[in-house]
Amino acid sequence: QKEVEQNSGPLSVPEGAIASLNCTYSDRVSQSFFWYRQYSGKSPELIMSIYSNGDKEDGRFTAQLNKASQYVSLLIRDSQPSDSATYLCAVNKLEGFKTIFGAGTRLFVKA
Amino acid sequence: KAGVTQTPRYLIKTRGQQVTLSCSPISGHRSVSWYQQTPGQGLQFLFEYFSETQRNKGNFPGRFSGRQFSNSRSEMNVSTLELGDSALYLCASSLALPSTDTQYFGPGTRLTVL
Repeated sequence: QKEVEQNSGPLSVPEGAIASLNCTYSDRVSQSFFWYRQYSGKSPELIMSIYSNGDKEDGRFTAQLNKASQYVSLLIRDSQPSDSATYLCAVNKLEGFKTIFGAGTRLFVKA
Repeated sequence: KAGVTQTPRYLIKTRGQQVTLSCSPISGHRSVSWYQQTPGQGLQFLFEYFSETQRNKGNFPGRFSGRQFSNSRSEMNVSTLELGDSALYLCASSLALPSTDTQYFGPGTRLTVL
């Protein structure tokens, strides 16, 4: 079992719809969770970080964390073609100083 | 404030050679992490440096090594290159702890091993 798992996609949604990206992790004592967006040929850029159970909203983006279920998700409201990218879920490991990344989910937003 | 810079951006090497990649973190950031990204394996952690000390290391062979200088700039070295080392190598800087502080990625160095 991978430490951080994401559906590789591609996930295709129409413009204006809600895109839902999911991630599960195996280390129950993980503390910090991140969502990065990576455009093709570019490096990852941080979208959201979340540390506590519940929802965290930032503009069109909402991160949801459920530590009991070891599950973190990212919702993108009013999806735009410019949101088309690969979304990486990242989870810190309590041991050491490293962050484990999922393989990423490719999102396509159709105009 | 300038972002994370990496040099060179592109490299072509042949098997058996060695390569050195450089990363300059954001001013004031003391932690530098290195990652390897390939289509098949995704983003994999190589190592992390803080104040010139390697704090953690991923599951890569000893051919992969790194160091950090007093100005927080970091280098990674890969010796005896193999075809499978072809990848995008990314470095990320953070203020102190990459596990809690935001990590900012550089543009990466694309290494091709022939």
